[in-house]
Amino acid sequence: DIQMTQSPSSLSASVGDRVSITCRASQSIDNYLNWYQQKPGKAPKLLIFAASSLQSGVPSRFSGSGSGTEFTLTISSLRAEDFATYYCQQALSTPPYSFGQGTKLEIK
Amino acid sequence: QVQLQESGPGLVKPSQTLSLTCTVSGGSISSGDYYWSWLRQPAGKTLEWIGRVYSRGDINYNKNNPSFKSRVTISVDTSKNQFSLKLTSVTAADTAIYYCARVGTSWEDFDYWGQGILVTVSS
Repeated sequence: DIQMTQSPSSLSASVGDRVSITCRASQSIDNYLNWYQQKPGKAPKLLIFAASSLQSGVPSRFSGSGSGTEFTLTISSLRAEDFATYYCQQALSTPPYSFGQGTKLEIK
Repeated sequence: QVQLQESGPGLVKPSQTLSLTCTVSGGSISSGDYYWSWLRQPAGKTLEWIGRVYSRGDINYNKNNPSFKSRVTISVDTSKNQFSLKLTSVTAADTAIYYCARVGTSWEDFDYWGQGILVTVSS
C-alpha cells in the first residue's frame, strides 16, 4: 500500500506569514492527492482535491501543488482561524485510502 | 446541503460488538456518484480508513490493517438513507472517534463528514 509522509510534523508561524506543508508519497500517485484541515474537536474539512483544485467555499489563500510523489499545501497569508492540523490523503491506489500523519500548525 | 450524523453507544465493553449508524440527509445515499465510508481517529493520531459501501451494495474493507481482519461489517439501508458499521471483539485499541463520510468517485475525496462519535472500549 502507499505510504504518505508529511513534513514538518509541527510548525509555528504568525498571522500574516506564508507557510507551506509538504506531503510525499511512497510511489507515484499522479495528482490523486487531497488535503484536509482539522480543528480540535471537529471533523476534517476538505480543502484541496486533485492536488490543486480548491474545494468550493475554501478561501483562495489556500493552494495546492505537485504531482507524482511530492505535493505542497501553501497558505499565502495566515489568519487566526487557519491554526489547525492538516492532513494529506492519497486517492490513486484505493482501497485502502491512506492519510499522512498530520502537520500541526501553531501560533508563534 | 448534505449532512451525515453518526449514532450509537459511546461505551462498549471489551470483547463486545461496536455498532454505529450513519444517517444521511440532504441527499440520497443511492446516488451513484459517491461511496459512503467509515473512518476512525484515536486520540492524537491520524485518520484510519475502515471501509466503504457503494449504493449498489459493493463493499470494500481495509485489508491492510490486520486488526480489522474478519471483524468489520459495513451495510447499507437505502430505504432509511443510512449505512452502518459493526466491529466485533473490540479491545481498548478500538477506542477512537469514529466518523462517517461521503467520498466522491471522481477524485476519491472525502467531501462531507459526520461530526464524529467517541467510542470508548472499557469495562
